Amino acid sequence: GAVVSQHPSRVICKSGTSVKIECRSLDFQATTMFWYRQFPKQSLMLMATSNEGSKATYEQGVEKDKFLINHASLTLSTLTVTSAHPEDSSFYICSAPRGHNEQFFGPGTRLTVL
Amino acid sequence: GQQLNQSPQSMFIQEGEDVSMNCTSSSIFNTWLWYKQEPGEGPVLLIALYKAGELTSNGRLTAQFGITRKDSFLNISASIPSDVGIYFCAGSRDNYGQNFVFGPGTRLSVLP
Repeated sequence: GAVVSQHPSRVICKSGTSVKIECRSLDFQATTMFWYRQFPKQSLMLMATSNEGSKATYEQGVEKDKFLINHASLTLSTLTVTSAHPEDSSFYICSAPRGHNEQFFGPGTRLTVL
Repeated sequence: GQQLNQSPQSMFIQEGEDVSMNCTSSSIFNTWLWYKQEPGEGPVLLIALYKAGELTSNGRLTAQFGITRKDSFLNISASIPSDVGIYFCAGSRDNYGQNFVFGPGTRLSVLP
């Protein structure tokens, strides 16, 4: 069964609003989680590394003030897309490592900004 | 920076045929993972490889970690329609595989 969940699975919002996406590890603790973005027919691109108890680490070119990450507990990380615009429309996926070298992905969140 | 290449980019096969795809890198990786992604879903882990030369099977799937640590292949035997999807390889230079780079994917279509 699923080991990483995401909520919501789909969200449609108006331009200028903020959207929060949750990522939960279901039966294990994750001090680190990863957030990816995937455009149609493309591969996953790492946006940031979420660290429990400390600030997130962002990849080059990703605006930290635009994509706010909060690793609230050992099983929950949230990504907030602030003041969303149509170009932010994408498939957002989180992942969490479990044990030695296993990386499990959530089912993804489809964001559409009108 | 680190980059993975996957080939073929896409493939169309008949049901029952075997499939082979590979992933190459100009850099050495210490961990290779193979994922399958279906439309609108997140990637699902298929096989994880940790040691150079390692050959691992998962049902009809077999994957190998290249000796040079710069490549990996995935084979699917006796393909079925539900094998359709995009197959991604991911490599990590970390010994604990926390920071992965993804290949562009191989899109597999299975014709009945």
